[in-house]
Order: sequence, then structure tokens, then C-alpha cells
Amino acid sequence: NAGVTQTPKFRVLKTGQSMTLLCAQDMNHEYMYWYRQDPGMGLRLIHYSVGEGTTAKGEVPDGYNVSRLKKQNFLLGLESAAPSQTSVYFCASSPGVGSPLHFGNGTRLTVT
Amino acid sequence: DQQVKQNSPSLSVQEGRISILNCDYTNSMFDYFLWYKKYPAEGPTFLISISSIKDKNEDGRFTVFLNKSAKHLSLHIVPSQPGDSAVYFCAATIDSNYQLIWGAGTKLIIKP
Repeated sequence: NAGVTQTPKFRVLKTGQSMTLLCAQDMNHEYMYWYRQDPGMGLRLIHYSVGEGTTAKGEVPDGYNVSRLKKQNFLLGLESAAPSQTSVYFCASSPGVGSPLHFGNGTRLTVT
Repeated sequence: DQQVKQNSPSLSVQEGRISILNCDYTNSMFDYFLWYKKYPAEGPTFLISISSIKDKNEDGRFTVFLNKSAKHLSLHIVPSQPGDSAVYFCAATIDSNYQLIWGAGTKLIIKP
């Protein structure tokens, strides 16, 4: 039972570099989400997807792009990393609206 | 402007006693509330939820109380156990939609 798997677990980037975070779920969930967590703040929704091939903006989408080409995968891209994007990123999935979210273990990203 | 506030960053409770974690919200449109628990280096896991049509929901040692007039909810854990030591997040949503609004979390420490 892998659930939601995020790769990588840690990453250090220089300002301006790009990277992609991968999220994979094996629960056949329709909905997937990307959140960021910063010290002293709650989780904030970056982007989400309600099904394969669909994506939508969340609360803090600027500087990020996402793709959901396959139902089980949700990718988060940073085209030009900035120090303000230093954070812990969590991916989550759920079977439907109103259902509790299942989270991955997070990716700690540092941008210098 | 934080719509969901957890004003206690940390709470220390003796094993076997009751732990009470509090959460306040400002948006009267919120109609569904959830509590998640998070251990270090792991993602949050769903604990318990409550709809605004109820004022109490119970699941084993965990009970959530909702006071709509005060815009306040609380999570009671009885009796507290060492494994309950974690960060607890409260989250709220409108019409169970995709966008959960999260509090900053309360770190609960259970003392032996």
C-alpha cells in the first residue's frame, strides 16, 4: 500500500533553475492537489486537478505549473525558482469532493 | 488575513489526561471542518471531521465540538497517549469544495 508517493524527498536549487516534483498515487483517486507549507502558516493550495487532463489554480499558483497527463500522476513544475519558493511541498489525493485528503510525505525544497 | 486560526503554537499535556486543541474561524460561510494530525517527516493524516449541521462528532478517543455562534471548534483527546504527540491542523471549507483553508497547527506534546 504505497498510497501517495512524492519524489524527490529533498532538493536544493539555485535561483533561476527549474525542476519538476512528481506525485504518484495508486488509489485510483480522481482528485489530486499540490500544497506548500511554510513556517507559522497553514498549508496553502497551489494547484489542483479534478481528473486526468484537467488542472486548476489554487490559492497561490504564481510561479508554478502543473500537469495531469495520467490519472495516477500529478506533476508540479517550477520554471525559474526563487528563494520565496523555499518550502515543504505536499501532494494529496482524494476520491471525491468532500472526502478526506491522503497526503504524501512531502518534498523539502530550498532555493538559494 | 488568516481565516482559520490556531492560536496556541504548542500544548503540553500529561499522559492519561485530556488534551483540548482549539481553532477559531472568521468566515461564517464555512460549513465543514476537519482535523488532521501530522508526525515529523510525514504528510498530514485525516483524523475527524464535522459538518456545520452538527455540534459534536465523536470517534473513539477523539471528539470535535463546533460552536457556530462563537465561530470556534475544539478537538478533545481522552485519554491522551504518547502516540498522540504530533502537530494538529484544523481546516475548513465551504460546500465541501476543493479549497481547504488551514490553520497554522498546534504541536501537542504528551508527557509521560
